[in-house]
Amino acid sequence: GQNIDQPTEMTATEGAIVQINCTYQTSGFNGLFWYQQHAGEAPTFLSYNVLDGLEEKGRFSSFLSRSKGYSYLLLKELQMKDSASYLCAVRGTGGGSYIPTFGRGTSLIVHP
Amino acid sequence: DAEITQSPRHKITETGRQVTLACHQTWNHNNMFWYRQDLGHGLRLIHYSYGVQDTNKGEVSDGYSVSRSNTEDLPLTLESAASSQTSVYFCASSESLAGAYNEQFFGPGTRLTVL
Repeated sequence: GQNIDQPTEMTATEGAIVQINCTYQTSGFNGLFWYQQHAGEAPTFLSYNVLDGLEEKGRFSSFLSRSKGYSYLLLKELQMKDSASYLCAVRGTGGGSYIPTFGRGTSLIVHP
Repeated sequence: DAEITQSPRHKITETGRQVTLACHQTWNHNNMFWYRQDLGHGLRLIHYSYGVQDTNKGEVSDGYSVSRSNTEDLPLTLESAASSQTSVYFCASSESLAGAYNEQFFGPGTRLTVL
């Protein structure tokens, strides 16, 4: 099985940078996803990491260290619209483990 | 544009009734999933399907069933609704389970209340 841990809530200021961490334990690893979910809406895909290192996509970047079971999502130049929940999901190997298991999500509040 | 839809968007029912939540996708994805989302628990997998006539149980499948008669639809049935099944239900689909194009696309959700 998989165990995924992320902070419950974070706050940040508009224009700043925030890093949302995700740690995981899994019997086999086959990729890590980050999704964004605004209140009352569906999750939407942000990023996917399967190899160690940083993946950059505009204002958002995601980092993975497989040896440490660790990932982070970095949001730069924060905007009010970035207030949302950020979900970390890990995919294992074999059978149903190919389906990502989601963490409980980190609620990010951006204030002026 | 391809999309994934759910109906109804909101449903109130009584304990003991059978309820079916619809999910329809036009992505032509083989993989489809049902999750429930509750405060403090995140998204939990109920059932999933890798293709027509294939269904599998997820982490929290008790009291739920699904059927897959075509590529586009994966209806979720609550056999006898219980108050513990009050939740927001999300349907999702994905093209693959490995490699590129493997992210999940989620429907808008169904908010179910069981009284």
